[in-house]
Amino acid sequence: GNSVTQMEGPVTLSEEAFLTINCTYTATGYPSLFWYVQYPGEGLQLLLKATKADDKGSNKGFEATYRKETTSFHLEKGSVQVSDSAVYFCAHKKDGQNFVFGPGTRLSVLP
Amino acid sequence: DAGVIQSPRHEVTEMGQEVTLRCKPISGHDYLFWYRQTMMRGLELLIYFNNNVPIDDSGMPEDRFSAKMPNASFSTLKIQPSEPRDSAVYFCASSLGSLAYEQYFGPGTRLTVT
Repeated sequence: GNSVTQMEGPVTLSEEAFLTINCTYTATGYPSLFWYVQYPGEGLQLLLKATKADDKGSNKGFEATYRKETTSFHLEKGSVQVSDSAVYFCAHKKDGQNFVFGPGTRLSVLP
Repeated sequence: DAGVIQSPRHEVTEMGQEVTLRCKPISGHDYLFWYRQTMMRGLELLIYFNNNVPIDDSGMPEDRFSAKMPNASFSTLKIQPSEPRDSAVYFCASSLGSLAYEQYFGPGTRLTVT
């Protein structure tokens, strides 16, 4: 069936550290891939997306590349800030179907 | 646009009471989703509507849960009777079209059942 697997959290980093949050997916065909972010006390919001293989989504210094050979969409940021502390959700979606969200990875960035 | 609006933001009730959560989607959006988020189970899709019609309610936990969408600008999720295990954050989200790349989430309702 369709699913999304993310690295378990919590992830704790110091400010300006490099971030990687791994995500792999299981789906038929080639879905669109997403990272959503949930800041404390808020709903999820779209961070970035990629709609076809080898596409790179980017936003706010975050990047993720759609790798169909490894069915992965790992999230990276070169230098995290305290304000990046949040829960990050990987997700996929095929046309006409619903989003499938991963379990979320909590990131804490310490000053 | 004000975004997706949910009310109340917090609800504390006693076991056995009826709870009604409310959602106003973004104007013009034709899909509406109800999710439940807990530490143990993560984010779960409960039900979604297209053009006010329920399409898939397979995620609704049991008969105590019901959802309605009487018009394009309003939806409710009702729990009757409520139980402590229903304590969670309930999110409403809306999107435009089945090809939409983004769901817009409301701020959520934190429900505590004692």
